[in-house]
Amino acid sequence: KAGVTQTPRYLIKTRGQQVTLSCSPISGHRSVSWYQQTPGQGLQFLFEYFSETQRNKGNFPGRFSGRQFSNSRSEMNVSTLELGDSALYLCASSALGQSGEQYFGPGTRLTVT
Amino acid sequence: QKEVEQDPGPLSVPEGAIVSLNCTYSNSAFQYFMWYRQYSRKGPELLMYTYSSGNKEDGRFTAQVDKSSKYISLFIRDSQPSDSATYLCAMSDRSSWQAGTALIFGKGTTLSVSS
Repeated sequence: KAGVTQTPRYLIKTRGQQVTLSCSPISGHRSVSWYQQTPGQGLQFLFEYFSETQRNKGNFPGRFSGRQFSNSRSEMNVSTLELGDSALYLCASSALGQSGEQYFGPGTRLTVT
Repeated sequence: QKEVEQDPGPLSVPEGAIVSLNCTYSNSAFQYFMWYRQYSRKGPELLMYTYSSGNKEDGRFTAQVDKSSKYISLFIRDSQPSDSATYLCAMSDRSSWQAGTALIFGKGTTLSVSS
């Protein structure tokens, strides 16, 4: 079974721009969560989607948004990028109803200059 | 006080050593405990998860949970250079686990095993 895939793997953007990251969960997994990972703060939860609905949101500004499509693929968007948004953005999928085990993708490394 | 505390290390050991990695937590509602391994430039990989208190063993890895002390451990026996990675603990309460929602992570301990 293929794992979680994320595209692109690396991205360089300029302050003020916006960016869209994509995540394809493991086949059959309906829940997708997004995390931001930085050396200083570690892994921080952004939001979680299930059946195209955002069910849970972390403590991030409104510049961070996401969505989920009917095939469970998810995208997250960051608008008006700031230098502090430079991080590894990780997507994790889980199979609701079986367990809460979350499986992570390789991440998208975003650098804001 | 952060919900989950984890010593960042780095922890350096020789090949073959027994490694002990630990996390403490403050939320008594946590019932599900996970250990992830993250290699450089990769996403975290689920190693083990345990429910409530007790031990769980998988090959060279043993996870222990002591809910009375709010303390969890991961032991690695006969450590190998390939075990060199960052180890993250993660936790969840019952409702979040069943919903597959947010995990609370420690910041990770960097382990280096030298040959």
